Amino acid sequence: NAGVTQTPKFQVLKTGQSMTLQCAQDMNHNSMYWYRQDPGMGLRLIYYSASEGTTDKGEVPNGYNVSRLNKREFSLRLESAAPSQTSVYFCASSGTSGISYNEQFFGPGTRLTVL
Amino acid sequence: SQKIEQNSEALNIQEGKTATLTCNYTNYSPAYLQWYRQDPGRGPVFLLLIRENEKEKRKERLKVTFDTTLKQSLFHITASQPADSATYLCALGGSASKIIFGSGTRLSIRP
Repeated sequence: NAGVTQTPKFQVLKTGQSMTLQCAQDMNHNSMYWYRQDPGMGLRLIYYSASEGTTDKGEVPNGYNVSRLNKREFSLRLESAAPSQTSVYFCASSGTSGISYNEQFFGPGTRLTVL
Repeated sequence: SQKIEQNSEALNIQEGKTATLTCNYTNYSPAYLQWYRQDPGRGPVFLLLIRENEKEKRKERLKVTFDTTLKQSLFHITASQPADSATYLCALGGSASKIIFGSGTRLSIRP
């Protein structure tokens, strides 16, 4: 089992460029998440998908879009990158939705710099 | 708005002592609370979960308490080792599948 995989690991963009961060999990989890982590800010939820075919906004969705392509894959798109989106992005998945364990499994992260 | 507070300053502990980390929250009634460990350059890793009706949970050298009246969780590492050095995050969960993370406390165990 690879767990949660993310690509790319590192990326440098210029302001205004677009890109898609890819995430896949092989644990047959229903729920998937995208977070960003900035120094001193902790993990902030961008978007999540409680199950295949549904997506919902998190705490900081502006400037991002997501696609739950199938049960395994959940992508995050930056349409027009801004320096404020420089961050480390983590994808996570969990095996349950609703009130239950909801242990989250994280990918290794994507380090994004926007110049 | 919902707020989670963890010790913002790093915690330095002598090897062999018990490390105690604090997680306080406001404007929230979580159904459960989780603790994660994060090493530099890596994603968080789940450690423990405690539900709102549980007072205490143990796993090997780890112990978590949950006081819903004080709105506080304490995370203890007994017989601490340098390998326990990392950032520890608490997270609160409710009825939906999403959870809210604190900013984490950096723990350093010196030999």
